[in-house]
Amino acid sequence: GENVEQHPSTLSVQEGDSAVIKCTYSDSASNYFPWYKQELGKRPQLIIDIRSNVGEKKDQRIAVTLNKTAKHFSLHITETQPEDSAVYFCAALSTGANNLFFGTGTRLTVIP
Amino acid sequence: NAGVMQNPRHLVRRRGQEARLRCSPMKGHSHVYWYRQLPEEGLKFMVYLQKENIIDESGMPKERFSAEFPKEGPSILRIQQVVRGDSAAYFCASSPPSQSNQPQHFGDGTRLSIL
Repeated sequence: GENVEQHPSTLSVQEGDSAVIKCTYSDSASNYFPWYKQELGKRPQLIIDIRSNVGEKKDQRIAVTLNKTAKHFSLHITETQPEDSAVYFCAALSTGANNLFFGTGTRLTVIP
Repeated sequence: NAGVMQNPRHLVRRRGQEARLRCSPMKGHSHVYWYRQLPEEGLKFMVYLQKENIIDESGMPKERFSAEFPKEGPSILRIQQVVRGDSAAYFCASSPPSQSNQPQHFGDGTRLSIL
């Protein structure tokens, strides 16, 4: 089955700096990679996703890159703000599979 | 445009009791997924259902756990004879009817506490 690893587990940045979170996956058949933001006690919220036919996708301050050959994908947040503080999860979904495989999460703290 | 609705938000049960968790998918969505999240951990897949059908229950314990998604009404995750280790947040997600790989949107979860 799929195995998703996520690093780092915690990340602290100064407000205005960039944050990068990296994930690797094991199943070469995976072709859909969403990122979720989860604030304390709340639902995982889909913030951006990328499919395997695309190498990069951007939405305002958030971007995701995908390297299919190396089987890794990354989340980039620029100009971080305190409200970006949360736990971020990457996930992968294989062709024909039914469920998302999640990474273990990154706790991002943006220091004002 | 209501999102995925889960209830109750918090549920307290004593060991040996039954827990019933409910999930109504987003309007227009016919695929429902249940995930479990332990504190400080990621979400782990339990079961995937479509109306009146369990499609994949490979992540659900064989004993005490069951799930259904009837023709009418919400999806139900049922845990019988609960034990302390069942304490967790249970999240439901839904996606639209499509061939594959559609975004899954999550509900607010049910936080189950076992006394």
